[in-house]
Amino acid sequence: EADIYQTPRYLVIGTGKKITLECSQTMGHDKMYWYQQDPGMELHLIHYSYGVNSTEKGDLSSESTVSRIRTEHFPLTLESARPSHTSQYLCASSDQGGRNIQYFGAGTRLSVL
Amino acid sequence: AQRVTQPEKLLSVFKGAPVELKCNYSYSGSPELFWYVQYSRQRLQLLLRHISRESIKGFTADLNKGETSFHLKKPFAQEEDSAMYYCALSAVDSNYQLIWGAGTKLIIKP
Repeated sequence: EADIYQTPRYLVIGTGKKITLECSQTMGHDKMYWYQQDPGMELHLIHYSYGVNSTEKGDLSSESTVSRIRTEHFPLTLESARPSHTSQYLCASSDQGGRNIQYFGAGTRLSVL
Repeated sequence: AQRVTQPEKLLSVFKGAPVELKCNYSYSGSPELFWYVQYSRQRLQLLLRHISRESIKGFTADLNKGETSFHLKKPFAQEEDSAMYYCALSAVDSNYQLIWGAGTKLIIKP
């Protein structure tokens, strides 16, 4: 079934740890996105990709990095987590066509102690 | 620069009452407008887009270019409509990235 998978769903880690949030999609989409969202608040785009080997920074300054080696996989990495990184991270994808509808994963809720 | 404004952070109405969630945008060209919804413990998902001109779950939204608005309306609210609602804009100037409003939390009281 076509879907967007995010793992882990919840993560509690200590300051200074390196973490990678996983996002995979079986939608067949070229475009992928990472958003940061505090619960019930607005979405902030932190990274996006138009396809393999394409990555761009979004509007929100972020200390994270992303890679796009495979079309279906778009992991986000924090080299050294800090309490200010505590938030929910949403992954989304959309096709290249004119519909531009974004489909979202269930999110990863990150707590950095 | 494009901007989407949802003036109400919280909207609370009684079941059966009409609902209108406001969305205003700033963009001089021809945008594409969307409403996304996030129910409790569920994913953010598309509710409707102005191009489709359809009614989803009883909700409709009309793009008013003169007033640069895309308000979401439902004549009779139901308790299951309680959720966070986000208005978003897509335009060629922003490379078709979605520009998001801050969201409105809708609470339907029994």
